[in-house]
Amino acid sequence: AQSVTQLGSHVSVSEGALVLLRCNYSSSVPPYLFWYVQYPNQGLQLLLKYTTGATLVKGINGFEAEFKKSETSFHLTKPSAHMSDAAEYFCAVSDSGNQFYFGTGTSLTVIP
Amino acid sequence: DAGITQSPRHKVTETGTPVTLRCHQTENHRYMYWYRQDPGHGLRLIHYSYGVKDTDKGEVSDGYSVSRSKTEDFLLTLESATSSQTSVYFCAISEDSTYNEQFFGPGTRLTVL
Repeated sequence: AQSVTQLGSHVSVSEGALVLLRCNYSSSVPPYLFWYVQYPNQGLQLLLKYTTGATLVKGINGFEAEFKKSETSFHLTKPSAHMSDAAEYFCAVSDSGNQFYFGTGTSLTVIP
Repeated sequence: DAGITQSPRHKVTETGTPVTLRCHQTENHRYMYWYRQDPGHGLRLIHYSYGVKDTDKGEVSDGYSVSRSKTEDFLLTLESATSSQTSVYFCAISEDSTYNEQFFGPGTRLTVL
């Protein structure tokens, strides 16, 4: 089975500072990787995904993530945090089966 | 936004009663999923469907059953609700199982007293 580890259940950054949310995965096959964002009392929205090709993936709202096979990582970054980025972020991995496996989530707080 | 609705959006029930949650999609996607979200656990898959009348178990399927008689509807039933099933339940859909993203519904908050 696949698994996802998100280091840091809570991350706080100042407005304008770099956002770095960490995700490591385990997969016995080439993975497909996803980042989702969840705002309070809402469902999950896709930020970005990696399937094949370029390892640096750009998503919505200025976020990007880099697939590093040697490190089994898919960390999410944004150069400059905005107040509207405060939310919960989930990393997910999918293999060649029918299921997604989600991490436990990282709650991002942006300090004015 | 993907056309996914969940009903009811909120429900309070008592231990031992059956509960059915409904997920309805207008996207004609083949795959449908039910997850539960709990603090510290992220999202955990309960059951999923890969076609009409085709379903399979997920990570936390005990105490839950599902049915899909039409492409657009996926029902989740708690046969006899317990307090441990108090959670937020999300439905998701996808065209393909592997590399296509899943689109999520707004969620149902279920409280079992």
